[in-house]
Amino acid sequence: LAKTTQPISMDSYEGQEVNITCSHNNIATNDYITWYQQFPSQGPRFIIQGYKTKVTNEVASLFIPADRKSSTLSLPRVSLSDTAVYYCLVGLRGRDDKIIFGKGTRLHILP
Amino acid sequence: SQTIHQWPATLVQPVGSPLSLECTVEGTSNPNLYWYRQAAGRGLQLLFYSVGIGQISSEVPQNLSASRPQDRQFILSSKKLLLSDSGFYLCAWSTGGNTGELFFGEGSRLTVL
Repeated sequence: LAKTTQPISMDSYEGQEVNITCSHNNIATNDYITWYQQFPSQGPRFIIQGYKTKVTNEVASLFIPADRKSSTLSLPRVSLSDTAVYYCLVGLRGRDDKIIFGKGTRLHILP
Repeated sequence: SQTIHQWPATLVQPVGSPLSLECTVEGTSNPNLYWYRQAAGRGLQLLFYSVGIGQISSEVPQNLSASRPQDRQFILSSKKLLLSDSGFYLCAWSTGGNTGELFFGEGSRLTVL
C-alpha cells in the first residue's frame, strides 16, 4: 500500500475553493487514488476516485499530475456543511484486500 | 440496491463485560467486510476484515474477535471489555479489487465504564 501524506488541518471560508493535496511518492502502476469524506459520528463517504489527469463529479474534482506522485482534491465554493475530515487513499489493496485509512485532513469552513 | 446495517447504535457496558456487535449487508453477494474503530478525535483503525465466510484477518486487538458465520453477516465480539475499547465502531463492505468503493454502516458507539 502506498503511504500518503496530507495536511493535518485546513481552514477556509464559505464560498471559497478549497484544494487539499495528498502526497503518495511510492504509488504503484495499478494504484487508484480515492478520497473519502467523514462527518462526526458517521462513517466515511466516497467522494471521488481517479487514476490520472482529471476527474470531476457533482461534488468535487480530482487533479492528478503526470507522475501521479500527488493528487489534489478540489472542492468548489465550499459551505459550512463541507466541514469534515477528508481522507486520501492510494493503493491496490493486494491479495488480502486490506484497506487502511491515514489520519486525514480536518477541514474547517468558517462563515 | 445494497444496504448495510449494524446494531446496536449505542452501548454502555462495564469493564469486563462481553460485547457483541452485528453487521449485515443486503443486496450483494460475497462482499469484503471490515470492522473499524475510531476513538474520540482519532483516525480510523482497521480491526478485522474478511474476504469470505469463515475467513477473518486480524489487524490489532487481542481482546476482540470477529466472525463471519454467513456471507453477509459480520460479528464483532469480546469476552471481557477494557476501558480502551470505548469508541465508535464502524462496519463496512466493499466489492473488492483496486477500485471497489467502501460503504459504511451507521456506526455503533460503545462506552466502557
